[in-house]
Amino acid sequence: KAGVTQTPRYLIKTRGQQVTLSCSPISGHRSVSWYQQTPGQGLQFLFEYFSETQRNKGNFPGRFSGRQFSNSRSEMNVSTLELGDSALYLCASSLDGPSSYEQYFGPGTRLTVT
Amino acid sequence: GENVEQHPSTLSVQEGDSAVIKCTYSDSASNYFPWYKQELGKRPQLIIDIRSNVGEKKDQRIAVTLNKTAKHFSLHITETQPEDSAVYFCAANPNTGNQFYFGTGTSLTVIP
Repeated sequence: KAGVTQTPRYLIKTRGQQVTLSCSPISGHRSVSWYQQTPGQGLQFLFEYFSETQRNKGNFPGRFSGRQFSNSRSEMNVSTLELGDSALYLCASSLDGPSSYEQYFGPGTRLTVT
Repeated sequence: GENVEQHPSTLSVQEGDSAVIKCTYSDSASNYFPWYKQELGKRPQLIIDIRSNVGEKKDQRIAVTLNKTAKHFSLHITETQPEDSAVYFCAANPNTGNQFYFGTGTSLTVIP
């Protein structure tokens, strides 16, 4: 099976702009989670989507949003970018169910805000 | 919400020695505890996990122990090799879907 893929891999944006990142999960996986990884804060949970619905949400401002499509692909959007949004954004996919918690990460999108 | 603390933040060991990384969690509802290895510039990879109904799990040179009463779990790597050098993250899932809380990571260096 192909792994989790993310596009683009690198992105440079200017403060105030918006950005959309994409994640394609492993075939058959219906849950997609997004994380922000920074050197100082580690891996922080943004949100999780399952069956096109946001199931969980972390403590991030409303500038961070996401959605999931019927084929389980997911996008996240960050509006009004700030310098502090520079980070590696990782998505992870998972089957769902009591014995299927394993999450598999994509390679990430490195976002730099200048 | 859940809070996961991880120690130490850095760890250096001689090749062949053992390495131990410890994590504590706060939410007693957490029932799944994975460990991830992240090499420089690469994605985190699941290396071992444990569920709350088990006290210990082994996979070759890697083992994880869980103490639910004390709310802590540990990663043990025996006979370390240079390729074990990476950042290791622990995580906890408070059984609310696939929302994981991660520790801040341990940078392990295995000295040949």
